[in-house]
Amino acid sequence: EAQVTQNPRYLITVTGKKLTVTCSQNMNHEYMSWYRQDPGLGLRQIYYSMNVEVTDKGDVPEGYKVSRKEKRNFPLILESPSPNQTSLYFCASSYQGSYNEQFFGPGTRLTVL
Amino acid sequence: GENVEQHPSTLSVQEGDSAVIKCTYSDSASNYFPWYKQELGKRPQLIIDIRSNVGEKKDQRIAVTLNKTAKHFSLHITETQPEDSAVYFCAAPNTGNQFYFGTGTSLTVIP
Repeated sequence: EAQVTQNPRYLITVTGKKLTVTCSQNMNHEYMSWYRQDPGLGLRQIYYSMNVEVTDKGDVPEGYKVSRKEKRNFPLILESPSPNQTSLYFCASSYQGSYNEQFFGPGTRLTVL
Repeated sequence: GENVEQHPSTLSVQEGDSAVIKCTYSDSASNYFPWYKQELGKRPQLIIDIRSNVGEKKDQRIAVTLNKTAKHFSLHITETQPEDSAVYFCAAPNTGNQFYFGTGTSLTVIP
């Protein structure tokens, strides 16, 4: 089954404790992206990747890191989480670039205390 | 960068009526305009998209219109049904593949 998976789905952590949210797709997509969703603000892009070893900042990259060592995986790293990073996070992928349908993962709800 | 604005933020319609959601964008080079639907507790899913070489696209009860001169595009849902209740997002990428969503419209269809 073609899909985008994320783990964990729910996470409660404390300020400053490094964490990684994994994202994996099995559709051989080149484009992958991370978004955060907050009430009233819609979905905002954090980072995106056009292909392996190619990553770029989105609209709200501060406090986040990503890597793209393999085509299928695009982990999101919070080196020192803060309460303002409490949010719902979605990973997405598309065939080529952002000019195609993006397929979203199920989301990760993160709470930083 | 791109700026995508979406209106209204909430919309209630009677079942069977039409619903229209409008978005404006700022980057005149943008040429791809998708609409995503997000049901409560679910992930966003594409429902329709349009590219700048056409002015209108229809898929059953859903249509999207694009006015490149005015830099706005709209989602039209006809004969609304309760299962159309959801949050709808418009979006546009900039020429650098950075992606921008509108702030969403919460549509409620009243049976």
